[in-house]
Amino acid sequence: NAGVMQNPRHLVRRRGQEARLRCSPMKGHSHVYWYRQLPEEGLKFMVYLQKENIIDESGMPKERFSAEFPKEGPSILRIQQVVRGDSAAYFCASSRSGSFLYEQYFGPGTRLTVT
Amino acid sequence: KNEVEQSPQNLTAQEGEFITINCSYSVGISALHWLQQHPGGGIVSLFMLSSGKKKHGRLIATINIQEKHSSLHITASHPRDSAVYICAVGGSNYKLTFGKGTLLTVNP
Repeated sequence: NAGVMQNPRHLVRRRGQEARLRCSPMKGHSHVYWYRQLPEEGLKFMVYLQKENIIDESGMPKERFSAEFPKEGPSILRIQQVVRGDSAAYFCASSRSGSFLYEQYFGPGTRLTVT
Repeated sequence: KNEVEQSPQNLTAQEGEFITINCSYSVGISALHWLQQHPGGGIVSLFMLSSGKKKHGRLIATINIQEKHSSLHITASHPRDSAVYICAVGGSNYKLTFGKGTLLTVNP
């Protein structure tokens, strides 16, 4: 039973380019969460999605960031016109339910470097 | 003030030592998580607990809800235990709030 998959593991983008990060949840999980880990800081919640729905995007920057979780395929975190401050590790996690009773399982992360 | 505080921030130990990492939180929670992150690596969930104590191999996690405090213990530490240990708390829903982590280095 494969765990949470993320790709790419490392992504280098020049300022102004777009970054697309993918997350495939564990089998049987329909809830996906994205977190960002800035250098020297703790993980911060960005967005929570269920299939075809954004449930909570309160942690997402208002501009340039978007997320989706289509009916088919992985969840995508998209960052348009990247800036140096977007350099971070982006982790996704998945769970069977949004309830606190269900554990979140984390992926290996995508490390984004903006040059 | 961060809602989740971990101590110490950095910890160096000799192989075989007993290790304790602490986590204090200021909000009401439904569950507390201990996570492990190796340098440049992914995040692995070690424990999820809402009361009492859990044990897995050489790892033990305890929580005191009244005192809003949890500890992670590692017995007979080994260099492969070197990692960042992260405490995270969850309320009545899915949202997790994370501590900044404790960097543990175990020397042979």
